[in-house]
Amino acid sequence: DGGITQSPKYLFRKEGQNVTLSCEQNLNHDAMYWYRQDPGQGLRLIYYSQIVNDFQKGDIAEGYSVSREKKESFPLTVTSAQKNPTAFYLCASRPRGDGKLFFGSGTQLSVL
Amino acid sequence: AQRVTQPEKLLSVFKGAPVELKCNYSYSGSPELFWYVQYSRQRLQLLLRHISRESIKGFTADLNKGETSFHLKKPFAQEEDSAMYYCATNAGNMLTFGGGTRLMVKP
Repeated sequence: DGGITQSPKYLFRKEGQNVTLSCEQNLNHDAMYWYRQDPGQGLRLIYYSQIVNDFQKGDIAEGYSVSREKKESFPLTVTSAQKNPTAFYLCASRPRGDGKLFFGSGTQLSVL
Repeated sequence: AQRVTQPEKLLSVFKGAPVELKCNYSYSGSPELFWYVQYSRQRLQLLLRHISRESIKGFTADLNKGETSFHLKKPFAQEEDSAMYYCATNAGNMLTFGGGTRLMVKP
């Protein structure tokens, strides 16, 4: 079960702390995405990247940052500016020219 | 901005009954539409897309541009269909999801 790997599975954040969620893919996909999943609100797009060294804000980018230094990796940092970070975070990727998304297994972030 | 609406948060039916999960979208162009499914303890995965016009696990979905809808249907629900279903649209590389509908199929 390779493809897209998210780590850690569970993460706890203290007040004022930045935390980074890892997302790695070995599918050679160009595009990668970060979504936040809250009960009753579906998936909301945080950031996405179409190619290396380029990324765009989604609908709820405030309080988050990303980087895309390598094709395989798209880490998400939840900064202290994100006041309500508790959620399930999903990473996804898709090949060029295809709308189908492949999802990771997710990271549950909670605030201590 | 594109928007996807799934009006029902929960849909509960008995085994063998027909199922229709509603999805409406707002986009002025020609979007690509999808249904994704998340079974318990599994990853979110693609169920079907409108350009394929195929039936997966007995489910079908027809794009109605006049009503801007992409409802998911199955004539006879099975217990294993119980899951969370998300409608999504891809317009300009931004994939937007609806709020999801939880389908519960009772024995």
